[in-house]
Amino acid sequence: AQSVAQPEDQVNVAEGNPLTVKCTYSVSGNPYLFWYVQYPNRGLQFLLKYITGDNLVKGSYGFEAEFNKSQTSFHLKKPSALVSDSALYFCAVRDVNDYKLSFGAGTTVTVRA
Amino acid sequence: EPEVTQTPSHQVTQMGQEVILRCVPISNHLYFYWYRQILGQKVEFLVSFYNNEISEKSEIFDDQFSVERPDGSNFTLKIRSTKLEDSAMYFCASSPVSGGDYNEQFFGPGTRLTVL
Repeated sequence: AQSVAQPEDQVNVAEGNPLTVKCTYSVSGNPYLFWYVQYPNRGLQFLLKYITGDNLVKGSYGFEAEFNKSQTSFHLKKPSALVSDSALYFCAVRDVNDYKLSFGAGTTVTVRA
Repeated sequence: EPEVTQTPSHQVTQMGQEVILRCVPISNHLYFYWYRQILGQKVEFLVSFYNNEISEKSEIFDDQFSVERPDGSNFTLKIRSTKLEDSAMYFCASSPVSGGDYNEQFFGPGTRLTVL
């Protein structure tokens, strides 16, 4: 079985400050990890993924995420948040032997001006 | 930029009625999926579809649900006899095959289904 935990329902930061959205995962084999973002009335938009290789992956809109195998974490980060980053963020995991994604509950990010 | 589209954006139906949710995946994609999100809950996997057959389905995807790719572009989810608990946002997704089997899935904007 595979699962994802996003321990924070909400994250609030000031514009220009670093943003971190936490994610931990559980899979039986090697994980494929993804971050998606959802804006109001829109679908889930892909941000970045970790498949293998460098533990730090870079994605869209200046976001990056760090894979930590020992802590089974895949936290999303952005060095300097923008008001336009305010949205709902989902972490997702896939086992290498599977195609379905398992999502976390989502974290609402609010960036204040 | 190509995107997954879904129609309708909102569907209201009476309990016991059949509904068909429609999706147009990205044109060169070969894997198709349906997920749903009940209000306030996680996005849940329903079914994956490849090469004109179901490749995987969840426990949620019982006999009341079916999927079809009736032509070269559409991918549909049918709920035969809707229940109140089927009220949710339904997301269609697709992914390519080329480049390996770990490609990201591209999601549509969703159809909000309300069962009264």
